[in-house]
Amino acid sequence: AQSVTQLGSHVSVSEGALVLLRCNYSSSVPPYLFWYVQYPNQGLQLLLKYTSAATLVKGINGFEAEFKKSETSFHLTKPSAHMSDAAEYFCAVSNQAGTALIFGKGTTLSVSS
Amino acid sequence: NAGVMQNPRHLVRRRGQEARLRCSPMKGHSHVYWYRQLPEEGLKFMVYLQKENIIDESGMPKERFSAEFPKEGPSILRIQQVVRGDSAAYFCASSQDQSVTDTQYFGPGTRLTVL
Repeated sequence: AQSVTQLGSHVSVSEGALVLLRCNYSSSVPPYLFWYVQYPNQGLQLLLKYTSAATLVKGINGFEAEFKKSETSFHLTKPSAHMSDAAEYFCAVSNQAGTALIFGKGTTLSVSS
Repeated sequence: NAGVMQNPRHLVRRRGQEARLRCSPMKGHSHVYWYRQLPEEGLKFMVYLQKENIIDESGMPKERFSAEFPKEGPSILRIQQVVRGDSAAYFCASSQDQSVTDTQYFGPGTRLTVL
């Protein structure tokens, strides 16, 4: 069965610093992985997704993630944090049948000036 | 192009009442998914529907919960005889195709409070 684990429920960075949000997956089949962002009292917005075309995936708002099979990881990064990046971030994996996304518990990103 | 619409955005019910949550998918999307988000938790899958069919309800509680997606109109998630533990944010998502790689687009959610 597929699952994802997000390491660190809270991450704090200064404006302009590197953002690194960690996600490890478990899957018995080649995984399809997603990162979503949720702003307060809003729905989820897709940042990027890995569908096996390329291991380095670029998303919106300057985010990118690298799929590393040897490490079973799909960490999300951004070179320079903005105040507007403060939100909750969810890593997800598609279940084998493609009928559902399986989410991690989320990481809250705080950005200080 | 309107996104996924959910209403109401906030719903308050007393224990024992019924809650009806509505979801209109994006234009051209015929696949609808419902998720529940409890405080301090990620989203948990509940049910996946196509028009007039429930495809996967493996995450749906066996009692009191039901979902439908009729030929015309929005998808409905119905919770009968609500209890305090049903208090949560309920999100609907839609996709164009049913594929492991297809993007699910999420609505703003309905926040249910059970008194």
